[in-house]
Amino acid sequence: DSGVTQTPKHLITATGQRVTLRCSPRSGDLSVYWYQQSLDQGLQFLIQYYNGEERAKGNILERFSAQQFPDLHSELNLSSLELGDSALYFCASSVLSSGSEQYFGPGTRLTVT
Amino acid sequence: AQSVTQLDSQVPVFEEAPVELRCNYSSSVSVYLFWYVQYPNQGLQLLLKYLSGSTLVKGINGFEAEFNKSQTSFHLRKPSVHISDTAEYFCAVSEMDSSYKLIFGSGTRLLVRP
Repeated sequence: DSGVTQTPKHLITATGQRVTLRCSPRSGDLSVYWYQQSLDQGLQFLIQYYNGEERAKGNILERFSAQQFPDLHSELNLSSLELGDSALYFCASSVLSSGSEQYFGPGTRLTVT
Repeated sequence: AQSVTQLDSQVPVFEEAPVELRCNYSSSVSVYLFWYVQYPNQGLQLLLKYLSGSTLVKGINGFEAEFNKSQTSFHLRKPSVHISDTAEYFCAVSEMDSSYKLIFGSGTRLLVRP
């Protein structure tokens, strides 16, 4: 158990819908990362927050957004969903120091039908 | 821009045999290097990391990796594998910037046969 929790575990929704994925980091970790794992794109970095502020952005679509709340949990919002958005979405947290390990949650499997 | 190449998508090996999973990276700046393992239906777990110093890094579960700067490689090795090592292995790099985001390779599936 990494200490990072993600809900829900599975999500099935239809095209055009909007969903919210939730992540709670390890106690004491201020940095949260979101990654997408799909068969065709592999594991890709989406976005990072540090203590409530956006720190870095990767290949995140404009239909996707995220935020980190004062209690440090983070949410990833996916809207106007397409079939190609079906993937495993991971959240990771770290203390954000040089070379620090990122601890990954179990992921949310999103299926868009 | 950074990139990570894992040339072998799948590596089959017999139990108790040695194994090497290859990883090459490309970056114009200094990076940290990582190997993560993903068991079925689970998240990623850190096996080992190279930050600086000795180029031979030892990790969990008997794995080790060697950093070779001239060949920009970070191959993962284990002298004797077990059935329980069957999993997906990902090599990743992180730039020494303010983000430390991970850039992953495409993964290598290690399949250990009895």
